[in-house]
Amino acid sequence: SQQGEEDPQALSIQEGENATMNCSYKTSINNLQWYRQNSGRGLVHLILIRSNEREKHSGRLRVTLDTSKKSSSLLITASRAADTASYFCAPSTGGGNKLTFGTGTQLKVEL
Amino acid sequence: GAVVSQHPSWVICKSGTSVKIECRSLDFQATTMFWYRQFPKQSLMLMATSNEGSKATYEQGVEKDKFLINHASLTLSTLTVTSAHPEDSSFYICSVPGTSGRKISTDTQYFGPGTRLTVL
Repeated sequence: SQQGEEDPQALSIQEGENATMNCSYKTSINNLQWYRQNSGRGLVHLILIRSNEREKHSGRLRVTLDTSKKSSSLLITASRAADTASYFCAPSTGGGNKLTFGTGTQLKVEL
Repeated sequence: GAVVSQHPSWVICKSGTSVKIECRSLDFQATTMFWYRQFPKQSLMLMATSNEGSKATYEQGVEKDKFLINHASLTLSTLTVTSAHPEDSSFYICSVPGTSGRKISTDTQYFGPGTRLTVL
């Protein structure tokens, strides 16, 4: 498995603003996943984008994938205080293989 | 979605004792489960892959004699921290990959809520 690296490490925005976080990885992937972790909790799967996809939407989430640059971005639109959490990307070779995680982006959405 | 449970959710123990943490897949059978450890304000560190019916596969640097893993059935994996010490205090999380043939994606991991271990 390979580890994704998220950027920025920390992000603080006002409620209603958009939040963008980026992920870079090093080798070929089958898909890339984004997860959210609220403080003291397990991870929650947000969205999966496959290597043959360039963009995917789910509610207020928009994910892009650029395999030529080995990078992905997660956009959260119209952020809410409840979006405050750590966000992790996980590049995957698929098939239920193990995932490894970087340090994540700690998002804080202030009222 | 799939549900993965962990028990206990938190535990405090004395140094030198052993602690067992259970991870259960409630919605589907899992031949593989993963165990992670997370220190405060740090990322999840993959410790080992739990394999039903065979030995666990440990990541480099993880002591297999200290962190005993038993994949007792297709829905249960246990992690036992033996002779726990304060430096073992951490947040332990398990995950289960989805299963083919159902609406659950095989590429998605389903995480338990975690177990907070504090060793005094």
